[in-house]
Amino acid sequence: QLQLQESGPGLVKPSETLSLTCTVSGASFDKSDYFWGWIRQSPGKGLEWIVSLSYTGSTYNTPSLRSRVTISVDTVRNRFSLRLNSVTAADTAIYYCVRQSDDLLTHVDYWGQGTLVTVSS
Amino acid sequence: EIVMTQSPATLSVSPGERATLSCRASQSVSRNVAWYQQKPDQAPRLLIFGASPRATGVPARFSGHGSGTEFTLTISSLQSEDFAIYYCQQYHFWPPTFGRGTKVEIK
Repeated sequence: QLQLQESGPGLVKPSETLSLTCTVSGASFDKSDYFWGWIRQSPGKGLEWIVSLSYTGSTYNTPSLRSRVTISVDTVRNRFSLRLNSVTAADTAIYYCVRQSDDLLTHVDYWGQGTLVTVSS
Repeated sequence: EIVMTQSPATLSVSPGERATLSCRASQSVSRNVAWYQQKPDQAPRLLIFGASPRATGVPARFSGHGSGTEFTLTISSLQSEDFAIYYCQQYHFWPPTFGRGTKVEIK
């Protein structure tokens, strides 16, 4: 059974960098024909796509966040990470790592439980 | 970016009754729409993809219809576990976008 687990600090100061890791169990994400990504949810913006990552390592960013997002991969530990720099209060949200079903433009079939990140001094 | 507009924002329904939720896309997204259910303090759960096929394990009382810009999710006979927030999502254009949700509450 595939499981996704987010981890990282729950509190980040304004202007600093938010860093989260998604650990995948039950599948090797670099050896499967799926896409993986990050979605966030906030009262102000609802559900918002951040970035997707292909099994080949290609990344696809949401235009509005592209300049602030970096994604990295650790195939040894079977995990991928999100970095969002220059955060503001508007970046306060629950962050989910997800698996997309076998294509970039498709539905999400697995979600992590989500982790709340608050941006505050 | 494609805007997905859901209506109503809140739907009050009695257990056993039928609920119909609507989702409209700002331009045609073919049948590339999914529906998700979210309960408090949980991640969303996939119900419907491709506008109508049900995801694995989803009860037959959930059905999706539509194409182009108009989509509906119908719950034929509401059970207690169905009271939740429902979101539609388009994945025809990048980036994928979600509606703001319809909360189905007990009448």
